[in-house]
This record gives sequence, C-alpha cells and structure tokens, in this order.
Amino acid sequence: AQSVTQLDSQVPVFEEAPVELRCNYSSSVSVYLFWYVQYPNQGLQLLLKYLSGSTLVKGINGFEAEFNKSQTSFHLRKPSVHISDTAEYFCAVTPGGGKLIFGSGTRLLVRP
Amino acid sequence: DTAVSQTPKYLVTQMGNDKSIKCEQNLGHDTMYWYKQDSKKFLKIMFSYNNKELIINETVPNRFSPKSPDKAHLNLHINSLELGDSAVYFCASRPDGLHTGELFFGEGSRLTVL
Repeated sequence: AQSVTQLDSQVPVFEEAPVELRCNYSSSVSVYLFWYVQYPNQGLQLLLKYLSGSTLVKGINGFEAEFNKSQTSFHLRKPSVHISDTAEYFCAVTPGGGKLIFGSGTRLLVRP
Repeated sequence: DTAVSQTPKYLVTQMGNDKSIKCEQNLGHDTMYWYKQDSKKFLKIMFSYNNKELIINETVPNRFSPKSPDKAHLNLHINSLELGDSAVYFCASRPDGLHTGELFFGEGSRLTVL
C-alpha cells in the first residue's frame, strides 16, 4: 500500500526567507507525485507534479520540488517566500494515475 | 464559469437529519470524487465514479450514498447525520486518458452537525 508522510505539521518562516517542506512516501510500485496548496476556505490547487523525466520540477508561484527515488522523497522548496504563500500544503501520490493519496499537510506560516 | 462547483458551501444541521451536497463539473471529465477533510486537515477519499459507474468505495458508513445522474454530476447524500460527520467535503474531477492523477477540486462544503 502507498502512504505519504509530511513530518512537519507547521513551518513558520519570515518573509523573503527560503523554505523547504518535506514529503516522504512509501510505495512498492512507481508513483506519480504531486504538491497541492490550499488557501484558507478554498479548495486545493495543483502546485506541481512529477510524472517522469527530470527529477527537478518547477511549479506555479516560484515553487519547485525534487524527486529523490533512493530517499523516496519529494520535498517542496521556494527560495524566497511571500506573505501570500501562507497556506496549507499537501503532498500526494498516486500509483499510476489512480486514487490520489494525501499526506497530512504542512501549514506554511509566513511572518513579516 | 467555475470548473468544479459544490452546493451548498456551508451546511449546519442537527444530528439525525438527512442532507445532500451537490457537485457539478463543466470540464468534460469522466471521473469524479468525494473527499472528506477532517478538523486536522487530513484528506481522505470516500468515493469515485467514472462515467456514472462507482469505481472506488472506501470504508465509509453506508449512511453515505453517492449518486451520479450523469458524468458531470456527483452528489453525496448522508442519512442520520452524526457529530463525527462534521467536516469539509470536497468534490473533485480528473481527466481521463492521461492517467496522471491530477485532480481539480471544488471549493468545499463545510458540514457542521450539532
């Protein structure tokens, strides 16, 4: 069975500082990997996805993530965050495009 | 022109009542989902339909009954509501063919059971 672990429930960071949100997964088969963002009182929006090819993927709003197969990780990074990046971030996996399995989420709190 | 729309956005009701949440997508997708997000923000899949056919049915009480009248609509009916049903319910859809797993979400329906 597949699972996703986001170890950090909350990550506070100052504006313009870099940030990394961690995601580890377990799966016995190849998976597709995603990061979604949820702004307050809204649905989830896709930030970026890894399907195949280059292990460094770039998404919207200046975010990027790196797929590391040996460490089964897919950490999300941004070199300089803004107040508007404050939101809940979810890592997710899907084995071959089927059911999407989410991690427990990481709340990014950007302070001025 | 919202892609995935849910109604109502907010629903407050008493224990034991029956309620429904409706979902419509205008993206032409064949697969639709219901997810439940609890108070700790944890998202769990409940159901999935592909072109009106049930394809995923997780361990959900049978008080929850999804209905898909056509591939653009997936409604969720809940009987005999309990306190633990309080959550935000998200509808989502997925394009077929690419099998990339990317989902398009509605804005959620917050259900509060008193």
